Amino acid sequence: EIVLTQSPSTLSLSPGESATLSCRASETVSRSQLAWYKQKPGQAPRLLIYDASNRATGIPDRFSGSGTGSGTDFILTISRLEPEDFAVFYCQQYDSSPWTFGQGTRVEIK
Amino acid sequence: EVQLVESGGGLVQPGGSLRLSCAASGFTFSSSAMSWVRQAPGKGLEWVSSISGGGGGTFYANSVKGRFSISRDNSNNTLFLHMNSLRAEDTAVYFCANSITVFVPSRFDSWGQGTLVTVSS
Repeated sequence: EIVLTQSPSTLSLSPGESATLSCRASETVSRSQLAWYKQKPGQAPRLLIYDASNRATGIPDRFSGSGTGSGTDFILTISRLEPEDFAVFYCQQYDSSPWTFGQGTRVEIK
Repeated sequence: EVQLVESGGGLVQPGGSLRLSCAASGFTFSSSAMSWVRQAPGKGLEWVSSISGGGGGTFYANSVKGRFSISRDNSNNTLFLHMNSLRAEDTAVYFCANSITVFVPSRFDSWGQGTLVTVSS
């Protein structure tokens, strides 16, 4: 099972600042089969990024994803934080079963 | 527009059974692998089960294997999760989600709003 570890657990930032979220896999996630989701309280998760760096439909370019060549380290960057960006973010790998999620990073208003 | 609407959640005693449904619209249901993902109160997301577009392939998390069964009715665009021998640790909001792939789920493109299952005496 591929274990995903997200850091930090909580990020306290002000609107307008940038956020950098990390997701580390316990083994290589081949073909960058990693996604990022955003979830606000009481709502369903929403797909933001797939294949490590592709934005989903309707996602603004303030959101960007990247991965290192190792296939184990992935980053979600959110630039110019807006009020609706304060939420919990999860990474998920779909390289192999069981499909696993990271434990989440909460981005909160400072 | 993709719509996924779950139903069937509720309060059930430990050891009991429940069947969840997910009504889908806005996409070609039979061409989409479908999944259930759950979230215990205050916790993160946990993949539960998936099924291929044609229904011939099913996948389960170890935590539910042998107790839960996933199925689909492509003629009525509906996904099901049959849950037996329910335990307190199965208490969660259950989301259904679709993938763009047919045979094996990939990323979860769209999600329903979820249905709450509470296992308690």
